[in-house]
Amino acid sequence: KAGVTQTPRYLIKTRGQQVTLSCSPISGHRSVSWYQQTPGQGLQFLFEYFSETQRNKGNFPGRFSGRQFSNSRSEMNVSTLELGDSALYLCASSLGQGQGEQYFGPGTRLTVT
Amino acid sequence: GENVEQHPSTLSVQEGDSAVIKCTYSDSASNYFPWYKQELGKRPQLIIDIRSNVGEKKDQRIAVTLNKTAKHFSLHITETQPEDSAVYFCAAIDTGFQKLVFGTGTRLLVSP
Repeated sequence: KAGVTQTPRYLIKTRGQQVTLSCSPISGHRSVSWYQQTPGQGLQFLFEYFSETQRNKGNFPGRFSGRQFSNSRSEMNVSTLELGDSALYLCASSLGQGQGEQYFGPGTRLTVT
Repeated sequence: GENVEQHPSTLSVQEGDSAVIKCTYSDSASNYFPWYKQELGKRPQLIIDIRSNVGEKKDQRIAVTLNKTAKHFSLHITETQPEDSAVYFCAAIDTGFQKLVFGTGTRLLVSP
């Protein structure tokens, strides 16, 4: 089975712009979670989608949003980018909500200048 | 909700020594505890996990132990090698929100 894929892998944006990141889960997986990882930091939970519905949300401002499509692919959007949004954005897929084993994608490294 | 604490934040060992990383969790109903290894510039990789119906699980040089009464679990790496150098994350299920909650990570450095 193909693993979790994320596009793009690298992105450079300027402050005030918006960005959309994409995540394709492992075939058959219905849950996609998104995390932000800054240098030296852990995995900060953004949100989780299951069957096209947002099931959980972390403590991030409303500038961070996401969605999931019927084929389980997910996108996250960040509007009005700030310098502090520079980070590695990881998505992880699992079979179902709370099903345990999560498999991570390679991440999208976003740099905001 | 679930709260996972992980210690130590950094750990330096000599090659061949053992390394132990400890995590505590708060949700007594939690039943799944995975460990992830993240090498520099790479994605976190699931290396071992344990479910609440067992107390210990081994896979070659790594093992995980679980103490449900005390609500803590540990990762043990024996005969450490330089390629074990990475950041290790523990996690536990938040049964209320049905999502994984991660610890803050341990940076393990194995010196030759």
